[in-house]
Amino acid sequence: DAMVIQNPRYQVTQFGKPVTLSCSQTLNHNVMYWYQQKSSQAPKLLFHYYDKDFNNEADTPDNFQSRRPNTSFCFLDIRSPGLGDAAMYLCATSRDRLAGTDTQYFGPGTRLTVL
Amino acid sequence: AQTVTQSQPEMSVQEAETVTLSCTYDTSESDYYLFWYKQPPSRQMILVIRQEAYKQQNATENRFSVNFQKAAKSFSLKISDSQLGDAAMYFCAYRSGSRLTFGEGTQLTVNP
Repeated sequence: DAMVIQNPRYQVTQFGKPVTLSCSQTLNHNVMYWYQQKSSQAPKLLFHYYDKDFNNEADTPDNFQSRRPNTSFCFLDIRSPGLGDAAMYLCATSRDRLAGTDTQYFGPGTRLTVL
Repeated sequence: AQTVTQSQPEMSVQEAETVTLSCTYDTSESDYYLFWYKQPPSRQMILVIRQEAYKQQNATENRFSVNFQKAAKSFSLKISDSQLGDAAMYFCAYRSGSRLTFGEGTQLTVNP
């Protein structure tokens, strides 16, 4: 089945140790998004890629970076994780970004713990 | 900036009964889209229903329907004949352009 896959599902890292989260999709969608969702809060958009065009949200900390080497894969890099970065990280895709009815398909998320 | 407010952090319903989840939003735009997403425990978020702001007719998907009041900026979700599998966190979301803004969510419990 076509889907959005996130690996790993659970990630534990140490304070200040770089970590990379992975997302892949078989939907061949143009847009890939990364959201941060802290406990009992709404998901918050960090950035998105439209094809190879990177779009950062104004309030996303510099500590968060992303790479999209090809259509199928997108990575979230946290350069120096702090305790406040512990959260669920959601990857989503959509076919387009300007068509409002275009559905965003979400992956299962990666739960990041920072020790 | 757009904001989305869900005033009910928790709701509960008896199996087979009907429940309505509330959502209000604030925007100065006239063209936008509204969504309800469902996030079951430890499972991925999935789309429940969507509404185009330019359409007056309320969207319906099987047991799920919305009451869209554009002037009041209100977008409530009605779940009819509630099932145990409906238990989840429900997020209302507003989309304009590429950005999807979520409300804080309503945790729905379905009691057998």
